[in-house]
Amino acid sequence: QVQLVESGGGVAQPGGSLRLSCAASGFTFSGYGMHWVRQAPGKGLEWVAFIRYDGSKTYYADSVKGRLTISRDNSKKTLYAQMNSLRAEDTAVYYCAKDVEAGRLDYWGQGTLVIVSS
Amino acid sequence: DIQLTQSPSSLSASVGDRVTITCQASQDIRKYLNWYQQKPGKAPKLLIYDASNLEPGVPSRFSGRGSGTVFTFTISSLQPEDFATYYCQQYDNLPPFTFGPGTKVDIK
Repeated sequence: QVQLVESGGGVAQPGGSLRLSCAASGFTFSGYGMHWVRQAPGKGLEWVAFIRYDGSKTYYADSVKGRLTISRDNSKKTLYAQMNSLRAEDTAVYYCAKDVEAGRLDYWGQGTLVIVSS
Repeated sequence: DIQLTQSPSSLSASVGDRVTITCQASQDIRKYLNWYQQKPGKAPKLLIYDASNLEPGVPSRFSGRGSGTVFTFTISSLQPEDFATYYCQQYDNLPPFTFGPGTKVDIK
């Protein structure tokens, strides 16, 4: 069965960095695009970034462009999000999600919490 | 960028009620709209894709329709496990893949 397990969340200071990981299993990871979606406490879902199956193209929300880098290692079946220049408004649960059809997210991880605070 | 609005933002209903949520896009997104269910503390779950297609394993009491800019999501007979927040999400053309603000369905 498909499993996505995020890790790497925690507390970071404003201006700091964090690297999130998402370990995938139960499907051919190298055959599917992947997303990061976040949810601030008590708020709705916000799409953050997408990477194609082979890593050839990446897309970002304006809110994270230039500060978040999505990448993947297909040999390790792992998705990453390198988050730099963190702001208080980046505080959220970050979910990784498997893509079926360039925007249809059919499986999600359980999320990892990022708190940006001094 | 394409914006999505949902109405209502919340509703109270009873078990057995028929519930309908509307999602409106700021421009034509053809059929490229998904619906997700999210329960507190849990990840979202895909219910409907391409506006009207039921994701495998999702009960048939859930349905969706629409195209262009106006879409509806219906639960034909609300069950206790359906109390949750529902989000629409568009994926026409390239990112960003916008989510709607959500509709919270709770118990009357």
